Amino acid sequence: EVQLLESGGGLVQPGDSLRLSCAASGFTFSSYAMNWVRQAPGKGLEWVSTVSASGGSTYYAHSVKGRFTVSRDNSKNTLYLQMNSLRAEDTAVYFCAKLKAGTTGFDYWGQGTLVTVSS
Amino acid sequence: DIQMTQSPSSLSASVGDRVTITCQASQDISNSINWYQQKPGKAPKLLIYDASNLETGVPSRFSGSGTGTDFTFTISSLQPEDIATYYCQQYDNLSITFGQGTRLEIK
Repeated sequence: EVQLLESGGGLVQPGDSLRLSCAASGFTFSSYAMNWVRQAPGKGLEWVSTVSASGGSTYYAHSVKGRFTVSRDNSKNTLYLQMNSLRAEDTAVYFCAKLKAGTTGFDYWGQGTLVTVSS
Repeated sequence: DIQMTQSPSSLSASVGDRVTITCQASQDISNSINWYQQKPGKAPKLLIYDASNLETGVPSRFSGSGTGTDFTFTISSLQPEDIATYYCQQYDNLSITFGQGTRLEIK
């Protein structure tokens, strides 16, 4: 059974840093691109970042480029999101999601971890 | 970046009704569109991938169609458990965007 379990969320102040983790199991993690998607309270879904299966290629939404860094450790089956210079508008539930093989859809999602940026 | 215009933003329908949601892309995305269902407090669930393919385990009352810039998501006979918010999502050259969402309610 595929499982994705996010952790690392919490309450931080503007300008702080935070690292999210997503522990994967039930599939060959190193074979799939992985993604971060966020959802501000009461709002829609926003793609944040994608990392290729090898970790060699990374992509970011304009809203986080230069502040967030996605990475993965295929030996630990874990996806990361390093978030620096956090802003109030980064407050959201952050989901990790697996890219469905050979398609453009996200077929498995974690339960999400809440990041709150507030003074 | 490619923008996705999803409509309507909310919809009220009766059990058994046919429900249609549309998404229009700001440029040609071929068939790179997916549809998700999200219930309150839960992660999104993939229903349709690559415009018209039904994800494994998803009931056949859900379907998708379209190519290029105009896409349609249909529930052929609305069931009470279909109450949720639905999102389209495009994936073009690693520019990924979601539609604004359609909140579906039962009359």
